[in-house]
Amino acid sequence: SQTIHQWPATLVQPVGSPLSLECTVEGTSNPNLYWYRQAAGRGLQLLFYSVGIGQISSEVPQNLSASRPQDRQFILSSKKLLLSDSGFYLCAWKAGRSTEAFFGQGTRLTVV
Amino acid sequence: LAKTTQPISMDSYEGQEVNITCSHNNIATNDYITWYQQFPSQGPRFIIQGYKTKVTNEVASLFIPADRKSSTLSLPRVSLSDTAVYYCLVGDPDQLTFGGGTRVLVKP
Repeated sequence: SQTIHQWPATLVQPVGSPLSLECTVEGTSNPNLYWYRQAAGRGLQLLFYSVGIGQISSEVPQNLSASRPQDRQFILSSKKLLLSDSGFYLCAWKAGRSTEAFFGQGTRLTVV
Repeated sequence: LAKTTQPISMDSYEGQEVNITCSHNNIATNDYITWYQQFPSQGPRFIIQGYKTKVTNEVASLFIPADRKSSTLSLPRVSLSDTAVYYCLVGDPDQLTFGGGTRVLVKP
């Protein structure tokens, strides 16, 4: 069966520090991969998605970047965090043109 | 990309049926309609998907009129544990864009 791993679960980082969140999927190949951010009490904001290795689509211009170094690995990064980067970050995967996505447990990031 | 409009919030009581309508006037011919449920501090969970008429599974029913410009998610006999945010998605399945969702509060 397919599983998605996302870590860490919580993170407290100072303003200006770098960020690296990792997401891996097991049990499938060539998944579509997604990074979302959710501010408190708000909806999900799609940050990046990837339909294949080397293919990253950015939805929101900001100080975040994403990379997909391996087929089932998706990394969200920042060189310098802002206070506004605080939120609940979710990674998700789905198969091809399917509309059923599976989400990781999320990372709650607090920038102080 | 089809834009969706849902009510911001709805209140209900245990045992009642909850119907959430999503408007998607610009839905494309090939678009499916998908609904997700999200509990606090968790990722969304797929509930149901449909293209036209009616779809039913063990969790919910989805009603889609002939013009497909709207859809209604029906949750039968809700319980307190159905308190969550419900999202309607329409459009490019690669982008998987969520709107604001509908916050459903089930009261005892």
